[in-house]
Order: sequence, then structure tokens, then C-alpha cells
Amino acid sequence: EDQVTQSPEALRLQEGESSSLNCSYTVSGLRGLFWYRQDPGKGPEFLFTLYSAGEEKEKERLKATLTKKESFLHITAPKPEDSATYLCAVRSSTITQGGSEKLVFGKGMKLTVNP
Amino acid sequence: DTEVTQTPKHLVMGMTNKKSLKCEQHMGHRAMYWYKQKAKKPPELMFVYSYEKLSINESVPSRFSPECPNSSLLNLHLHALQPEDSALYLCASSQALRETQYFGPGTRLLVL
Repeated sequence: EDQVTQSPEALRLQEGESSSLNCSYTVSGLRGLFWYRQDPGKGPEFLFTLYSAGEEKEKERLKATLTKKESFLHITAPKPEDSATYLCAVRSSTITQGGSEKLVFGKGMKLTVNP
Repeated sequence: DTEVTQTPKHLVMGMTNKKSLKCEQHMGHRAMYWYKQKAKKPPELMFVYSYEKLSINESVPSRFSPECPNSSLLNLHLHALQPEDSALYLCASSQALRETQYFGPGTRLLVL
């Protein structure tokens, strides 16, 4: 069973058409939920870290929210340059190796914004 | 400044070659990571160094050998790789093990 699930797997929007990306998680002992943006062939670019339910963070057209079971990445009036794959990852006190907590990634959501 | 640099950007190697990937950060971070990412898949953790000591080793084949010469540098030595090892290799760093990880641009590796 996947511990981090992102939906939808792919999303096409028209420029200016707002939408939300979902990241649901089943881990306990959440130590942080992370959103990254990744362009093809490049490394993930950090967007947000959320630690507790009810927390919200914003950056330009993006807003991330967190509940006890999921996180949403809201995109307001997207532009073509927002096209990318968005990765969600969680850190949990129960997912460890060698005494260290591991980051668990979802499979990503490919967003395409058409002009 | 949240920059992690990686060299080279691209690497093509034969199965008998020995090569090294390099990663550098000057943010004073004390944890550094190597990830492998195949096309259309999320990054997979390979190794974690914390205070220059290997903290996590995800049972990666011995043909991959990590090295952390100091707190700013992380190398990944490659030897006798297989074509299935072709992937984007990502380096990341964080202030400490439980902090946000910042990724470098990656090295695109092709094994022929």
C-alpha cells in the first residue's frame, strides 16, 4: 500500500484556470510534508514545507494546505510556465532506517498549462 | 542561497569505465544525500551522510560507492555499471537530517 498518493497523475489546464492538486498520506507520526516542483531533466525545486494540520503557505500563484490526512496545492490563475511535475513527499517518525527518518515521495503529478 | 551544484551535467560511460559524480554545497548543511531517478518516477534514496558519516545505505549495489570528503562535498564513484543504471542522479542537502532537503540540478547518466 502506497504511503503517499498524489492525484490526479496528470492534469491539463487552460491558462487562468485555477485548480488543486491532492497529496494524501497514510503515515503516522508526520514530521513534515514537502512540495517540490520538477522540470524535465532537472532536480526538484523546493516549494513548501508543512508541519501541522491547519498550516498554510503561499508563494506567488501557489498555496499549500495541510490536514491530518492530506495536503492540497492550490494553483490560482496558472500560467504556461507553471507546467511541471509536482512532487509531494512526507517524513514520518515511523519510516526510518539506521535510526534516521526517510523522505517518502509520491509518484508526482504532471501539470500542463496551455496558453 | 539554497544552491547545490553537481558535476558533470551529463555523463556517458561504458560498462568497464570508472567515473565519479560530484556534488557541492556552501550552505553549511550537515546532511547530504544521493538519489537515483528514473524517467517518470519519483527520486529513490541511495545514500545519506550526516556529519560526514554514512547514515543510510539503501542496499545499493557495490558498483556505487559514496564518499564524503568534508561537510561541503559529496562524491559518488561509479564502476562497472549496467545499462539499467542509466538515470538522473540527484544530490541533495539539508541543515540536518530532519530538515528540508534542497536538490541539485542532477547528473544525467547514460551507461552503454
